[in-house]
Amino acid sequence: RKEVEQDPGPFNVPEGATVAFNCTYSNSASQSFFWYRQDCRKEPKLLMSVYSSGNEDGRFTAQLNRASQYISLLIRDSKLSDSATYLCVVTSGGATNKLIFGTGTLLAVQP
Amino acid sequence: DADVTQTPRNRITKTGKRIMLECSQTKGHDRMYWYRQDPGLGLRLIYYSFDVKDINKGEISDGYSVSRQAQAKFSLSLESAIPNQTALYFCASRGGNYGYTFGSGTRLTVV
Repeated sequence: RKEVEQDPGPFNVPEGATVAFNCTYSNSASQSFFWYRQDCRKEPKLLMSVYSSGNEDGRFTAQLNRASQYISLLIRDSKLSDSATYLCVVTSGGATNKLIFGTGTLLAVQP
Repeated sequence: DADVTQTPRNRITKTGKRIMLECSQTKGHDRMYWYRQDPGLGLRLIYYSFDVKDINKGEISDGYSVSRQAQAKFSLSLESAIPNQTALYFCASRGGNYGYTFGSGTRLTVV
């Protein structure tokens, strides 16, 4: 079983749609959670951290359910520029606390 | 200037050759990382370093070595390149509990 699992997609949605991505993680010791965005052949960039209470940044809302070890990202009013791969990322816990990456979910927003 | 700079951006090399990928960061971070990315596999950790005297193997270190020449510099070497090391390589740095800052990547092709 992968440590971080995501639906690879692609998610093809029209502009203006609301789209949700889900992610599950296996390590109950994970303490920090993130969503990264990666454009084709570019480096991953931090989109937002994910907090237990849920957090919002403009059109983006992230939720964390520690009991179910489940993370979500909601994008409202999708823009063409939102087209990218979205990576779910968790920390490994322990002394090293490394980042563990999911394989990503591809979003294609259509005009 | 970019916070994390990788050189070269692209490289084609022959099987059996030694090659070095360079990474430098201007963020003053202690922690630096090397990842490789392959289609469908996400980012996998090769080596990481928490300071100049601390080097650690990641999940796929075989066939690679690293050198932390200074806090700002972390280089990755392929001692004898083989075709299955063809991939996109990312260097990253991290300070505190914040997310990583990635370099723009090195696209390596071993023929």
